[in-house]
Amino acid sequence: AQSVTQPDIHITVSEGASLELRCNYSYGATPYLFWYVQSPGQGLQLLLKYFSGDTLVQGIKGFEAEFKRSQSSFNLRKPSVHWSDAAEYFCAVGAPRLEYGNKLVFGAGTILRVKS
Amino acid sequence: GAVVSQHPSRVICKSGTSVKIECRSLDFQATTMFWYRQFPKQSLMLMATSNEGSKATYEQGVEKDKFLINHASLTLSTLTVTSAHPEDSSFYICSARQGARLEQYFGPGTRLTVT
Repeated sequence: AQSVTQPDIHITVSEGASLELRCNYSYGATPYLFWYVQSPGQGLQLLLKYFSGDTLVQGIKGFEAEFKRSQSSFNLRKPSVHWSDAAEYFCAVGAPRLEYGNKLVFGAGTILRVKS
Repeated sequence: GAVVSQHPSRVICKSGTSVKIECRSLDFQATTMFWYRQFPKQSLMLMATSNEGSKATYEQGVEKDKFLINHASLTLSTLTVTSAHPEDSSFYICSARQGARLEQYFGPGTRLTVT
């Protein structure tokens, strides 16, 4: 069965510090990987996606993520966090194959707090 | 681009009544739309997948007679919560996908409170 693990429920970083949010997946196919961000009471915004090619992908708002097949990971990073980055972040995996229903599987989310 | 809207953003209804939530893709044609439910401090739970012009596919454990989904056009899907009860109170989020592309674009969500 497909699954996504985000090991950290909460992370607190200081403004200006670097950030890494972890995501590990278990998937019986070549995965497509996504990171979404959700502000309180809002829907999800797509930060970045990986389909193939360069394993380091750039997204919006200065975020990047690196796909490491050997570690089944797709960690999200940002070199310098801003207070406005405080939100909840979701990792998701999917594959366009019928047996997976063309659906995304989401992790439980990581809440990022930014302290000044 | 890839904007999805939901209406209403908040709704309060009495137990036993029905509520309809609309999901629209504003600048693209959504061949597939998804409906999720999110409980406080939890991840998204997929309720159903709807393809334009066909019946929705419901996830295991989701009552299709209670959560009616209609995807009548390439830009509109609706979720109707029938005979709502307090336990149906939740945050409902829709998303839309264009063609065979896998990424989903999410609406802002609808907070449903059943009293």
